[in-house]
Amino acid sequence: DQQVKQNSPSLSVQEGRISILNCDYTNSMFDYFLWYKKYPAEGPTFLISISSIKDKNEDGRFTVFLNKSAKHLSLHIVPSQPGDSAVYFCAASALGGTYKYIFGTGTRLKVLA
Amino acid sequence: DTEVTQTPKHLVMGMTNKKSLKCEQHMGHRAMYWYKQKAKKPPELMFVYSYEKLSINESVPSRFSPECPNSSLLNLHLHALQPEDSALYLCASSQQARAGYEQYFGPGTRLTVT
Repeated sequence: DQQVKQNSPSLSVQEGRISILNCDYTNSMFDYFLWYKKYPAEGPTFLISISSIKDKNEDGRFTVFLNKSAKHLSLHIVPSQPGDSAVYFCAASALGGTYKYIFGTGTRLKVLA
Repeated sequence: DTEVTQTPKHLVMGMTNKKSLKCEQHMGHRAMYWYKQKAKKPPELMFVYSYEKLSINESVPSRFSPECPNSSLLNLHLHALQPEDSALYLCASSQQARAGYEQYFGPGTRLTVT
């Protein structure tokens, strides 16, 4: 049972435009979320996090939005750059529960120059 | 410094071999993790060490044996592996073994079992 889902396996976006990556979760206990970026042959790199007390968190070109009622979060990258081409994973955990992060299956983003 | 290092980068081993994967971090983190990642799949947690003690074993077969010699080092000893164990093995660390702390990953060891 996949508790964290990224339903789009891939996404192509023109350079300079907005990239929107989506993530859905089923466990209502999840209240802390992370986004990671992964290049081939490298480990995942932490990008941005959000806890359920917020509905938005920004860090430079990256913004994460959380809709708790819909159990949905999204990562916006504006403007998209060719160097953003990578696989993006969302991960979820419960602050009051165990340490364990459940990862989504990933979305491959390709930013076209 | 947010670096986690792993050696070797690549490893090919036969089913009767014994080998070890190594992981190191110097961020003062007290939690370290081993993950396994197969192609086109998310990372799957294998083990968690908290303050150098094994706190979680996610029902991993005994042919994988973790070891945490000190707060900066984490090893994964491999013995009698199967071809289906071929995968990318990722090490990660975080300040504490709790949600709310991001995990920093190493580049991984690409393991092939022949």
